[in-house]
Amino acid sequence: AQKVTQAQTEISVVEKEDVTLDCVYETRDTTYYLFWYKQPPSGELVFLIRRNSFDEQNEISGRYSWNFQKSTSSFNFTITASQVVDSAVYFCALTLNYGQNFVFGPGTRLSVLP
Amino acid sequence: ETGVTQSPTHLIKTRGQQVTLRCSSQSGHNTVSWYQQALGQGPQFIFQYYREEENGRGNFPPRFSGLQFPNYSSELNVNALELDDSALYLCASSLSTFRDTGELFFGEGSRLTVL
Repeated sequence: AQKVTQAQTEISVVEKEDVTLDCVYETRDTTYYLFWYKQPPSGELVFLIRRNSFDEQNEISGRYSWNFQKSTSSFNFTITASQVVDSAVYFCALTLNYGQNFVFGPGTRLSVLP
Repeated sequence: ETGVTQSPTHLIKTRGQQVTLRCSSQSGHNTVSWYQQALGQGPQFIFQYYREEENGRGNFPPRFSGLQFPNYSSELNVNALELDDSALYLCASSLSTFRDTGELFFGEGSRLTVL
């Protein structure tokens, strides 16, 4: 069975600080996909990134960056120079091949204070 | 905006009643999934539909049922409501092929309160 752990329940930072959200996953399959989603107060989950198990390249998109390490089964997410608009709940998720369900972690609530 | 719309946005039911939630998927997407998100938790997979057939089911009892229509829109039905069914119900559409798994595009959800 697959499992996603996000050990940080809540994080508070002051605007412009950098913050890293941790994600550790478990699966015995060699082919899988990892995702990060953002859930603002409106409720809709917003897709941020997808990474497949064969692509360990780290990725940077503006202030966001992701560090995928298969050796430690981690897929961490860093926000650089955080802003108040980054305040939300962030979910890490895992799915296997085509047609399989997504397994979500419990989420990390990020509060960015002005 | 994802193009996934859900209705109703909020509803209140009493224990034992039945509820139907509706979802219109994003244009071109062939797969619809339903997730239950209890307060303070991550979404839990209920089931998935691909071309009108159930294509996977999570650990939910049979009183949770669904349909997908030819236009790929979908319904989630819950019978004999229980207090623990109170949650945000999220619909997600995706375009998946045998080669690749697409990301989920979520609607804003239907918040169900069971009294």
